[in-house]
Amino acid sequence: DTGVSQDPRHKITKRGQNVTFRCDPISEHNRLYWYRQTLGQGPEFLTYFQNEAQLEKSRLLSDRFSAERPKGSFSTLEIQRTEQGDSAMYLCASSLDLNTEAFFGQGTRLTVV
Amino acid sequence: GNSVTQMEGPVTLSEEAFLTINCTYTATGYPSLFWYVQYPGEGLQLLLKATKADDKGSNKGFEATYRKETTSFHLEKGSVQVSDSAVYFCARQAAGNKLTFGGGTRVLVKP
Repeated sequence: DTGVSQDPRHKITKRGQNVTFRCDPISEHNRLYWYRQTLGQGPEFLTYFQNEAQLEKSRLLSDRFSAERPKGSFSTLEIQRTEQGDSAMYLCASSLDLNTEAFFGQGTRLTVV
Repeated sequence: GNSVTQMEGPVTLSEEAFLTINCTYTATGYPSLFWYVQYPGEGLQLLLKATKADDKGSNKGFEATYRKETTSFHLEKGSVQVSDSAVYFCARQAAGNKLTFGGGTRVLVKP
């Protein structure tokens, strides 16, 4: 198992464009989490899935953000009409189940210019 | 609300020095507590954890003890190495197994 994989690793986009990130969790991990980390700060929770069900969304997740996990395996995070304030590292993590260790991917660094 | 506060960095040390990074948390109940490490260019890795009061987590020479009375989970290492240079994050478990992180502490160990 290669761990949690995120793609792309880096993304530069112009303000107003849409972007989509992908996360492949560790196989058989039921839970998948998205976090955002801005420079010099700790990661902040965005949303999480139990299998294909999105169970919680943070207030940080504005209506321009949408996340899916259609088959309970990989997940996508889409940001519409990007703004400069969206520039951050977007981290994905997965865990086997509740109360088990979360493993993080290396993240996707988004820069909005 | 539930939050995690850790000392700000950067912390600069010489090799073989003693390292302490303070972390305190607010919470209802007794959440599991974690230290994650982020080496340059890499993702977050779990360093150690403690799941109940008075538990001591340890790994790679690092230790942290879950102190309920002071709501603290300070990270310590007796003799740091250059390879310990990284950013360290204290975190607590919240509902749904999501994590609440502190702001991170950058540690730089000089030879």
